Amino acid sequence: AQSVSQHNHHVILSEAASLELGCNYSYGGTVNLFWYVQYPGQHLQLLLKYFSGDPLVKGIKGFEAEFIKSKFSFNLRKPSVQWSDTAEYFCAVNQNTGGFKTIFGAGTRLFVKA
Amino acid sequence: DTGVSQNPRHKITKRGQNVTFRCDPISEHNRLYWYRQTLGQGPEFLTYFQNEAQLEKSRLLSDRFSAERPKGSFSTLEIQRTEQGDSAMYLCASSLGGVTDTQYFGPGTRLTVL
Repeated sequence: AQSVSQHNHHVILSEAASLELGCNYSYGGTVNLFWYVQYPGQHLQLLLKYFSGDPLVKGIKGFEAEFIKSKFSFNLRKPSVQWSDTAEYFCAVNQNTGGFKTIFGAGTRLFVKA
Repeated sequence: DTGVSQNPRHKITKRGQNVTFRCDPISEHNRLYWYRQTLGQGPEFLTYFQNEAQLEKSRLLSDRFSAERPKGSFSTLEIQRTEQGDSAMYLCASSLGGVTDTQYFGPGTRLTVL
């Protein structure tokens, strides 16, 4: 079955620390990959996306993610987190065939200490 | 505001009652999706529409659930004979379609079944 795994459910970091959130998916074929963020009290927002081309994609607010096809991974990174990055982060995958049903991971709650 | 909107934002109902939620997508987006999110989980796909046609339904969508998009614009999701297990956040998303389909989410409707 198609699935998305996020390695950490909760992450606590101090400001200026580096961040890496793991995401692995189980899909065959060509996939589209996404990271969404949900700030406290707000709705899901798109952080970045990968469709094709350069496997290192840059998103908003200094986030980037690297697609490693051989590892079925799409890890999210940020060199230096800020208190305002406190949020829940969701990795998501869909396939560019048929219905584009998007499968989400369970999410990672990030808390950044000021 | 030209984002996806959902109404109501909160709904409290008694078990056995029927409820209906509405989603207004971003104008000109021809795809519309419904997801359900429970605490500690990522959004789970329920169904999607291409214009007014409902093209895919999840096995999560029991016979008590029905969704419509009569004119290819707004959509409604009805739950009949609600059960406590239906308590969740119901999310709507819309997209332009195409192979690089990117979904934009609304704020959700939080349903509590007493």
